[in-house]
This record gives sequence, structure tokens and C-alpha cells, in this order.
Amino acid sequence: DVKVTQSSRYLVKRTGEKVFLECVQDMDHENMFWYRQDPGLGLRLIYFSYDVKMKEKGDIPEGYSVSREKKERFSLILESASTNQTSMYLCASSVLRDTQYFGPGTRLTVL
Amino acid sequence: EDKVVQSPLSLVVHEGDTVTLNCSYEVTNFRSLLWYKQEKKAPTFLFMLTSSGIEKKSGRLSSILDKKELFSILNITATQTGDSAIYLCAVEGVTSYDKVIFGPGTSLSVIP
Repeated sequence: DVKVTQSSRYLVKRTGEKVFLECVQDMDHENMFWYRQDPGLGLRLIYFSYDVKMKEKGDIPEGYSVSREKKERFSLILESASTNQTSMYLCASSVLRDTQYFGPGTRLTVL
Repeated sequence: EDKVVQSPLSLVVHEGDTVTLNCSYEVTNFRSLLWYKQEKKAPTFLFMLTSSGIEKKSGRLSSILDKKELFSILNITATQTGDSAIYLCAVEGVTSYDKVIFGPGTSLSVIP
């Protein structure tokens, strides 16, 4: 079974803090993705990566950055957290052009 | 602009009812349509549809795609309380990367 893990299930941070969300997959997938999910808006793509050290902006990259130093790990970074970044963050991975498998999600609250 | 629309956004039914969830889309260079079920945590994969008119089934769930009219339906027969979840529709376009566009989801509640 594909396993995608995320470093935290629940996270509470203060405005202005730097936040790291980690995602690790154990199936040697090339592609990894970061989404946020908000009520009524569905899943929106923040960033994705199709190879180590490669990254591409998704639909809503503003306020976020990513890092992929190793194939199995994809990190989402909030340089200076703001209250409008309170959301559920979901990581996914896939083999090239195949179904995406999701991690359990991180519910981030920014106070 | 690529987009995915789902209807209804929420639905409450009684156990044993049959429900139909709708998904319509506009996407450049369509490749596939995906259905996911999301309960308390992350979405889990249900179906991938690439061809029109071919029904995919898994137990009480089934889905079909109409590429001419640009929509898909997800049917659930003899609903159970365990079917209560958000059902997400997503569409993949053929680009240089695997971008997937998600709809807002349909929140289904099945009451005893």
C-alpha cells in the first residue's frame, strides 16, 4: 500500500511565525503535491514537484514556498503565517500520470 | 478557465435511498475524471474514468462519464450511514505536468 505521511495532524501557530509542513511518501513517486482545502472551495493546488529540486507553482502559491531536497520528502513553508492561511493542508503523491494518493492532512490554525 | 462544478453541494438522505451526485467540467485537453470519498481525513480514491459510456462499479457505487456533454455522475444505491462523507470530483488535463482540478465537493449525510 502507498503510504503518505504528514508531520502533524493539528498545528496552532501565531501570526508572523514561520511554519514548516512536512510530507513523506514511501513509494518512490516522482510527483508530489500540496493542496489546501477550505469549505465550499474544494481542494486548491498550492505547489507541486515532479522531481527532486524541481517545483512548479499551482493555483494559489502566494505566501507559500516549497522544498524538495529528496525524492520522498516535500515540504511546504509558510514564511510568515497569516490568519487567512488557517486551513486543512493535504499532501499527495503519484507516479507520473497516475492516481494521486493523499496523506492524512494537517489542520493548521493561525491565531 | 479550467473548472469543475459539483451538484448538489450538500444532500441529506435516509438509509436505503439511492443518490446521484453530479460533476460537470471544463478542462483543456481532458485526460481523466476522478472521484474521491473524503471522510474525516484525506480523500480516498474511488474511480478513474477516461472513456465515455463505460460504467465503473464498486459494490454499491457506480460512475459513468459523458465526454460529449462534459459531465459525470456517481451513484450510490441502498445508502448506509457509512456512506456519509464529502465526495470530490476532480479532472486531469494533459499538460506537461499532472495538474488536477478539484470541484468543491458534495457533502452527503445518510441518516438512519
